[in-house]
Amino acid sequence: GNSVTQMEGPVTLSEEAFLTINCTYTATGYPSLFWYVQYPGEGLQLLLKATKADDKGSNKGFEATYRKETTSFHLEKGSVQVSDSAVYFCALRSTDKLIFGTGTRLQVFP
Amino acid sequence: DTGVSQDPRHKITKRGQNVTFRCDPISEHNRLYWYRQTLGQGPEFLTYFQNEAQLEKSRLLSDRFSAERPKGSFSTLEIQRTEQGDSAMYLCASSVGTDTQYFGPGTRLTVL
Repeated sequence: GNSVTQMEGPVTLSEEAFLTINCTYTATGYPSLFWYVQYPGEGLQLLLKATKADDKGSNKGFEATYRKETTSFHLEKGSVQVSDSAVYFCALRSTDKLIFGTGTRLQVFP
Repeated sequence: DTGVSQDPRHKITKRGQNVTFRCDPISEHNRLYWYRQTLGQGPEFLTYFQNEAQLEKSRLLSDRFSAERPKGSFSTLEIQRTEQGDSAMYLCASSVGTDTQYFGPGTRLTVL
């Protein structure tokens, strides 16, 4: 069946460091891919998405490219801030529902 | 656009009691989804509606769970005879068709 695998956290970085959170997926066809973020005490917010191969989603300095060859959708940011500390979820849309990874906690220290 | 709202935000109940949660989607969104998230895990799909029709239910949704969306607007999720394993965050999301799903803040259920 369809699934999403994310790197385990926590990822701990200093402010202004480069961030990569790995995400790979297993799916039939070419599903839409998403990154959602969950800040402490808040609900899930859509961070970015890509709907077809080679698409790049971007928002708030975060980027991810849909790579069908490697079935990956890695999240990157060039310079993280303390305010980016949150849990990040990679997801794919399978027919009408979202399938999520287990989430990766990011902790950024000043 | 006020976003997806859920009520209550927190619910503590004793094992064996019934609980009901409410979700109000973004107006004009015809699809409404329920997910469950346990500690340290990603959300898992439970069920979804298109307007008032319930189109899919997960195997996670046991007979003790029932969801309704009677007028195609708000939805309720009821859990009968709660068990400790039902303790989780229950998330609601809405969308226009298969477009992006927008999530509410969730209802955290604790079963003692």
